[in-house]
Amino acid sequence: SFDLTQPPSVSVSPGQTASITCSGDNLGDEYVCWYQQKAGQSPVLVIYQDNKRPSGIPERFSGSNSGNTATLTISGTQALDEADYYCQAWDTTTAVFGGGTKLTVL
Amino acid sequence: QVQLQESGSGLVKPSQTLSLTCAVSGGSITSGDYSWCWIRQPPGKGLEWIGYIYHTGRTYYSPSLQSRVTISIDTSKNQFSLRLTSVSAADTATYFCARKHTEAAGGDWVDPWGQGALVTVSS
Repeated sequence: SFDLTQPPSVSVSPGQTASITCSGDNLGDEYVCWYQQKAGQSPVLVIYQDNKRPSGIPERFSGSNSGNTATLTISGTQALDEADYYCQAWDTTTAVFGGGTKLTVL
Repeated sequence: QVQLQESGSGLVKPSQTLSLTCAVSGGSITSGDYSWCWIRQPPGKGLEWIGYIYHTGRTYYSPSLQSRVTISIDTSKNQFSLRLTSVSAADTATYFCARKHTEAAGGDWVDPWGQGALVTVSS
């Protein structure tokens, strides 16, 4: 079993780059997914297998994973990107989620 | 495009059993590369994994809920279900059903998700 740690909140100005981290022991040895959840909505997959974007997800979303930290990067952040973001990895057959990061676009 | 829709009781009394069903449309629940899962989110909190099931009926549950959870599948109706026994207020949450993509090399992912069903445990 392992824990995934995310900062509770991140703020970014429109047009700037937002970085959201997810930390865990040797996390770089595991695949990481990222989910976006807007207020009152269900989560949406934005990154899978560390750095792959599902169809329909804008190119400004990217991911990386190395060492103990995975990072979701949003380039040219837009107001509509304001949401909660969750990282997720697998502990054998159980999905483990980070606590979530609230992204505020000021 | 596959869509999932949860249904079931929105209010359950303490110590009773929570039951939800997820109807899958736009694709077959027997597709081999997928499994079907349940995730929950207490009000104002983060996501918690419950478990998943293959179309064969094979199940995998979160260790923290394993003693109280049963996930079943009805391929004839293209739906799967969740039962959680002996509920308490701590089980109050929005329950999401979703599809899990399975990769032989690992790195599975969950997509899409249903819209969620709020279940409140209260007398």
